[in-house]
Amino acid sequence: GENVEQHPSTLSVQEGDSAVIKCTYSDSASNYFPWYKQELGKRPQLIIDIRSNVGEKKDQRIAVTLNKTAKHFSLHITETQPEDSAVYFCAASSGDSNYQLIWGAGTKLIIKP
Amino acid sequence: DVKVTQSSRYLVKRTGEKVFLECVQDMDHENMFWYRQDPGLGLRLIYFSYDVKMKEKGDIPEGYSVSREKKERFSLILESASTNQTSMYLCASSLLGGETQYFGPGTRLLVL
Repeated sequence: GENVEQHPSTLSVQEGDSAVIKCTYSDSASNYFPWYKQELGKRPQLIIDIRSNVGEKKDQRIAVTLNKTAKHFSLHITETQPEDSAVYFCAASSGDSNYQLIWGAGTKLIIKP
Repeated sequence: DVKVTQSSRYLVKRTGEKVFLECVQDMDHENMFWYRQDPGLGLRLIYFSYDVKMKEKGDIPEGYSVSREKKERFSLILESASTNQTSMYLCASSLLGGETQYFGPGTRLLVL
């Protein structure tokens, strides 16, 4: 079946540094790529998304890039802060259904003070 | 503001018991989903529904069933709970044709 691979599984960065999380998808029909953040004990929440007709999207300190040819997309967080500590999930829309998402396994981001 | 609620935050059940997990959304969303979340495995889809009384199997439906009698409510049923069903269960909803999924707070189920 189709899948999404996410790396790394754990990422530890110094406060103020940048963090990059990468995902690769297999379904060439995927056209929507969201990123969710799940803080400890809380529900996953959408933080940014990108569609296949766009190569990059920014929202303050976070940005997402998409390379359709290589089938990979990345989340970039600049000037990391303690509140960025969380598990981040990438996902890709399923070509079989426009409302199903195929999820990555998650990245635990740790911000060191 | 979308609100998705789940009937319990924590649940402890015994092996063989029938378990009901309920999810309610208040935004008139057509799509509803049940996921299971385990460390290192991400979110795995158990079942989803795109309309009342409609359901489709996800990636790991074995040992589970679902019910959607009303648009706002989607129930997950463990017919005979087993210890390997100990997990975090997350419900989500989205608009028909809309990709953004809104999650409930989760139910942490422990099966003894």
